[in-house]
Amino acid sequence: SAVISQKPSRDICQRGTSLTIQCQVDSQVTMMFWYRQQPGQSLTLIATANQGSEATYESGFVIDKFPISRPNLTFSTLTVSNMSPEDSSIYLCSVGRQGEQFFGPGTRLTVL
Amino acid sequence: QKEVEQNSGPLSVPEGAIASLNCTYSDRVSQSFFWYRQYSGKSPELIMSIYSNGDKEDGRFTAQLNKASQYVSLLIRDSQPSDSATYLCAVNGRGGSSNTGKLIFGQGTTLQVKP
Repeated sequence: SAVISQKPSRDICQRGTSLTIQCQVDSQVTMMFWYRQQPGQSLTLIATANQGSEATYESGFVIDKFPISRPNLTFSTLTVSNMSPEDSSIYLCSVGRQGEQFFGPGTRLTVL
Repeated sequence: QKEVEQNSGPLSVPEGAIASLNCTYSDRVSQSFFWYRQYSGKSPELIMSIYSNGDKEDGRFTAQLNKASQYVSLLIRDSQPSDSATYLCAVNGRGGSSNTGKLIFGQGTTLQVKP
């Protein structure tokens, strides 16, 4: 597996503001992903964070709302922009290794 | 039709019993199948992966895959109260090999193991 950390672990934000979530892995990985888990729901893939190029977004998610950076093979950030209460969710990064995927501890975001 | 379907439960079993969790998927080209366990307030933890038809056993867990029926299941033997959690079925999405990621998750089944 991999040791994955996320910052912050939780935050409460005002609508209209932005929050950047960091994901750090203890070793280099090719595949990094960002998921959202809305209250009482399952996980939905937001995007694949590609090192050295633009992220690949899933249907329903756009770069202006969820800009992603991947400056190297151990680190990525997801920004939730211009937040509304509907963005209240748990945001999870994950890494792919040998065909399997492992999740970080998540960031619990509440937007008021 | 949802791409990955699970019964949301709750599935309640007595301690020591076998818990059987089921999952169906719609995309026949799917190649990789995973079971995650998620405790309340925690992130998903990978417990089983299966890629070929048949059974795969790991301790008290057995994953079963039937690609012809597009069905994957997880059996938990000798269930313990500590197994009480939500179990998420995940399937590798269309167009991907086992190395491209893009997992599609079911809604999860809540398992309650009663002492």
